[in-house]
Amino acid sequence: GAVVSQHPSRVICKSGTSVKIECRSLDFQATTMFWYRQFPKQSLMLMATSNEGSKATYEQGVEKDKFLINHASLTLSTLTVTSAHPEDSSFYICSASVLGGRGKDIQYFGAGTRLSVL
Amino acid sequence: DQQVKQNSPSLSVQEGRISILNCDYTNSMFDYFLWYKKYPAEGPTFLISISSIKDKNEDGRFTVFLNKSAKHLSLHIVPSQPGDSAVYFCAASVRNRDDKIIFGKGTRLHILP
Repeated sequence: GAVVSQHPSRVICKSGTSVKIECRSLDFQATTMFWYRQFPKQSLMLMATSNEGSKATYEQGVEKDKFLINHASLTLSTLTVTSAHPEDSSFYICSASVLGGRGKDIQYFGAGTRLSVL
Repeated sequence: DQQVKQNSPSLSVQEGRISILNCDYTNSMFDYFLWYKKYPAEGPTFLISISSIKDKNEDGRFTVFLNKSAKHLSLHIVPSQPGDSAVYFCAASVRNRDDKIIFGKGTRLHILP
Protein backbone atom coordinates (compact mmCIF):
# COMPACT_ATOMS: atom_id res chain seq x y z
CA GLY A 1 0.00 0.00 0.00
CA ALA A 2 0.91 3.66 -0.17
CA VAL A 3 3.45 4.81 2.41
CA VAL A 4 3.42 8.16 4.14
CA SER A 5 6.41 9.10 6.23
CA GLN A 6 6.13 11.68 8.98
CA HIS A 7 9.07 13.18 10.82
CA PRO A 8 9.87 13.67 13.63
CA SER A 9 7.87 11.12 15.58
CA ARG A 10 8.35 13.01 18.80
CA VAL A 11 9.50 16.49 19.66
CA ILE A 12 9.89 18.34 22.93
CA CYS A 13 10.43 22.06 22.74
CA LYS A 14 10.42 25.16 24.88
CA SER A 15 7.53 27.57 24.84
CA GLY A 16 8.00 30.26 22.20
CA THR A 17 10.00 28.17 19.77
CA SER A 18 8.81 26.97 16.37
CA VAL A 19 8.58 23.34 15.34
CA LYS A 20 8.47 21.95 11.80
CA ILE A 21 6.87 18.61 11.00
CA GLU A 22 7.43 16.94 7.65
CA CYS A 23 5.07 14.67 5.78
CA ARG A 24 6.28 12.76 2.75
CA SER A 25 4.57 10.37 0.40
CA LEU A 26 7.26 7.80 -0.36
CA ASP A 27 5.93 5.78 -3.26
CA PHE A 28 3.23 7.91 -4.79
CA GLN A 29 2.39 11.47 -5.71
CA ALA A 30 -0.03 13.17 -3.39
CA THR A 31 -1.89 16.10 -4.83
CA THR A 32 -3.68 16.60 -1.55
CA MET A 33 -2.36 16.24 1.96
CA PHE A 34 -4.22 16.71 5.18
CA TRP A 35 -3.12 17.72 8.65
CA TYR A 36 -4.97 16.45 11.70
CA ARG A 37 -4.65 16.98 15.39
CA GLN A 38 -5.72 14.49 18.01
CA PHE A 39 -6.25 15.14 21.69
CA PRO A 40 -6.37 12.21 24.11
CA LYS A 41 -9.54 10.16 23.73
CA GLN A 42 -10.76 12.48 21.02
CA SER A 43 -11.33 12.11 17.33
CA LEU A 44 -8.97 13.17 14.61
CA MET A 45 -9.70 16.83 14.00
CA LEU A 46 -8.90 18.13 10.54
CA MET A 47 -6.79 21.26 10.74
CA ALA A 48 -6.16 22.02 7.09
CA THR A 49 -6.14 20.65 3.57
CA SER A 50 -2.99 21.22 1.59
CA ASN A 51 -2.80 21.16 -2.19
CA GLU A 52 0.50 21.17 -4.00
CA GLY A 53 1.46 24.61 -5.22
CA SER A 54 -1.40 26.48 -3.60
CA LYS A 55 -2.33 27.88 -0.24
CA ALA A 56 -3.70 25.53 2.35
CA THR A 57 -7.36 25.59 3.26
CA TYR A 58 -7.79 25.87 7.00
CA GLU A 59 -10.72 24.60 9.00
CA GLN A 60 -12.73 27.00 11.08
CA GLY A 61 -11.01 27.88 14.31
CA VAL A 62 -7.51 26.96 13.15
CA GLU A 63 -5.09 29.88 13.16
CA LYS A 64 -3.33 30.23 9.83
CA ASP A 65 -0.48 32.25 11.28
CA LYS A 66 0.00 29.77 14.06
CA PHE A 67 0.04 26.63 11.94
CA LEU A 68 1.95 27.32 8.74
CA ILE A 69 1.51 24.74 6.02
CA ASN A 70 3.66 24.45 2.94
CA HIS A 71 3.06 21.91 0.18
CA ALA A 72 6.04 22.55 -2.04
CA SER A 73 5.95 19.36 -4.07
CA LEU A 74 3.76 16.38 -4.83
CA THR A 75 5.57 14.37 -2.19
CA LEU A 76 6.17 16.81 0.65
CA SER A 77 4.05 18.93 2.94
CA THR A 78 5.25 20.63 6.10
CA LEU A 79 3.45 21.93 9.14
CA THR A 80 5.21 24.55 11.24
CA VAL A 81 3.84 25.30 14.68
CA THR A 82 5.02 28.83 15.29
CA SER A 83 5.70 30.23 18.75
CA ALA A 84 4.54 27.01 20.34
CA HIS A 85 2.78 27.10 23.70
CA PRO A 86 1.89 24.28 26.10
CA GLU A 87 -1.68 24.21 24.78
CA ASP A 88 -0.26 23.25 21.38
CA SER A 89 0.95 19.99 22.86
CA SER A 90 -0.85 17.28 20.96
CA PHE A 91 -0.53 14.44 18.48
CA TYR A 92 -0.30 15.75 14.92
CA ILE A 93 -0.95 13.40 12.01
CA CYS A 94 -0.69 13.97 8.29
CA SER A 95 -2.33 12.02 5.53
CA ALA A 96 -2.28 11.96 1.77
CA SER A 97 -4.76 11.07 -0.92
CA VAL A 98 -3.43 8.81 -3.62
CA LEU A 99 -3.52 10.32 -7.08
CA GLY A 100 -5.41 7.93 -9.30
CA GLY A 101 -5.65 5.40 -6.54
CA ARG A 102 -8.54 3.08 -5.82
CA GLY A 103 -10.48 6.01 -4.49
CA LYS A 104 -9.37 9.49 -3.77
CA ASP A 105 -11.37 9.32 -0.59
CA ILE A 106 -8.92 6.88 0.89
CA GLN A 107 -6.24 8.62 2.82
CA TYR A 108 -2.98 7.08 3.92
CA PHE A 109 -1.65 8.33 7.20
CA GLY A 110 1.75 9.06 8.59
CA ALA A 111 2.76 7.66 11.97
CA GLY A 112 2.10 10.97 13.68
CA THR A 113 4.19 13.43 15.70
CA ARG A 114 3.85 13.81 19.43
CA LEU A 115 4.56 17.45 20.27
CA SER A 116 5.23 18.40 23.87
CA VAL A 117 5.74 22.07 24.63
CA LEU A 118 7.32 22.84 27.99
CA ASP B 1 -22.20 19.25 15.86
CA GLN B 2 -20.80 15.77 15.60
CA GLN B 3 -21.68 14.37 12.21
CA VAL B 4 -20.16 10.95 12.80
CA LYS B 5 -20.85 9.32 16.14
CA GLN B 6 -19.36 6.29 17.76
CA ASN B 7 -21.26 6.02 21.00
CA SER B 8 -19.26 3.18 22.50
CA PRO B 9 -15.86 4.40 23.65
CA SER B 10 -14.72 0.84 24.31
CA LEU B 11 -15.68 -2.75 23.66
CA SER B 12 -14.32 -6.05 24.99
CA VAL B 13 -14.74 -9.26 23.02
CA GLN B 14 -13.51 -12.79 23.60
CA GLU B 15 -10.96 -14.07 21.13
CA GLY B 16 -12.65 -16.07 18.39
CA ARG B 17 -15.99 -14.35 18.82
CA ILE B 18 -17.52 -11.66 16.65
CA SER B 19 -16.71 -7.99 17.28
CA ILE B 20 -19.35 -5.50 16.21
CA LEU B 21 -18.48 -1.83 16.15
CA ASN B 22 -21.24 0.65 15.52
CA CYS B 23 -21.37 4.08 13.96
CA ASP B 24 -24.13 6.59 13.33
CA TYR B 25 -24.08 9.65 11.14
CA THR B 26 -26.31 12.68 10.78
CA ASN B 27 -25.38 14.16 7.41
CA SER B 28 -27.53 12.59 4.70
CA MET B 29 -25.10 13.91 2.07
CA PHE B 30 -22.47 11.40 3.11
CA ASP B 31 -22.12 8.78 0.41
CA TYR B 32 -18.88 7.06 1.26
CA PHE B 33 -17.92 5.46 4.55
CA LEU B 34 -14.64 4.13 5.83
CA TRP B 35 -13.23 2.32 8.81
CA TYR B 36 -9.72 2.95 10.05
CA LYS B 37 -7.74 1.06 12.65
CA LYS B 38 -5.27 2.80 14.90
CA TYR B 39 -2.61 1.48 17.26
CA PRO B 40 -1.17 3.77 19.97
CA ALA B 41 1.37 6.31 18.73
CA GLU B 42 0.73 5.35 15.12
CA GLY B 43 -1.30 6.87 12.32
CA PRO B 44 -4.60 5.26 11.34
CA THR B 45 -4.55 2.57 8.69
CA PHE B 46 -7.35 2.08 6.21
CA LEU B 47 -9.39 -1.05 6.83
CA ILE B 48 -12.47 -1.19 4.65
CA SER B 49 -14.92 1.14 2.96
CA ILE B 50 -18.42 1.12 1.54
CA SER B 51 -20.24 3.27 -0.95
CA SER B 52 -23.79 4.36 -0.23
CA ILE B 53 -25.04 2.38 -3.21
CA LYS B 54 -24.22 -0.80 -1.35
CA ASP B 55 -25.41 -2.19 1.94
CA LYS B 56 -22.59 -4.62 2.56
CA ASN B 57 -18.92 -4.96 1.77
CA GLU B 58 -16.77 -7.84 2.84
CA ASP B 59 -13.00 -8.21 2.97
CA GLY B 60 -11.70 -11.31 4.69
CA ARG B 61 -12.63 -11.21 8.37
CA PHE B 62 -14.03 -7.69 8.04
CA THR B 63 -17.53 -6.85 6.89
CA VAL B 64 -19.13 -3.44 6.88
CA PHE B 65 -22.90 -3.07 6.82
CA LEU B 66 -24.68 0.13 5.86
CA ASN B 67 -28.26 1.00 6.74
CA LYS B 68 -28.95 4.28 4.98
CA SER B 69 -32.46 4.72 6.29
CA ALA B 70 -31.19 4.49 9.85
CA LYS B 71 -27.98 6.39 9.02
CA HIS B 72 -26.09 3.60 10.68
CA LEU B 73 -23.15 1.45 9.79
CA SER B 74 -21.34 -1.30 11.57
CA LEU B 75 -18.07 -3.15 11.27
CA HIS B 76 -18.06 -6.87 11.98
CA ILE B 77 -14.83 -8.70 12.70
CA VAL B 78 -15.06 -12.46 12.80
CA PRO B 79 -13.30 -14.29 14.25
CA SER B 80 -11.71 -11.68 16.50
CA GLN B 81 -7.98 -12.03 17.01
CA PRO B 82 -5.60 -10.53 19.60
CA GLY B 83 -4.04 -8.29 16.95
CA ASP B 84 -7.42 -6.69 16.40
CA SER B 85 -7.08 -4.85 19.71
CA ALA B 86 -6.88 -1.22 18.64
CA VAL B 87 -8.97 1.92 18.27
CA TYR B 88 -11.37 1.83 15.35
CA PHE B 89 -12.48 5.04 13.70
CA CYS B 90 -15.58 5.31 11.59
CA ALA B 91 -15.35 8.01 8.92
CA ALA B 92 -17.56 9.49 6.24
CA SER B 93 -17.22 11.74 3.25
CA VAL B 94 -19.12 13.26 0.37
CA ARG B 95 -17.51 12.03 -2.80
CA ASN B 96 -16.85 14.34 -5.70
CA ARG B 97 -17.11 17.38 -3.50
CA ASP B 98 -13.84 17.38 -1.65
CA ASP B 99 -11.49 14.91 -0.09
CA LYS B 100 -12.47 15.71 3.46
CA ILE B 101 -13.19 12.84 5.74
CA ILE B 102 -15.13 13.34 8.94
CA PHE B 103 -14.06 11.00 11.73
CA GLY B 104 -15.93 9.67 14.71
CA LYS B 105 -14.27 9.65 18.14
CA GLY B 106 -13.28 6.04 17.85
CA THR B 107 -14.03 2.84 19.75
CA ARG B 108 -11.30 1.01 21.60
CA LEU B 109 -11.60 -2.72 21.00
CA HIS B 110 -10.06 -5.13 23.50
CA ILE B 111 -9.78 -8.74 22.44
CA LEU B 112 -9.70 -10.93 25.53
CA PRO B 113 -7.73 -14.21 25.55
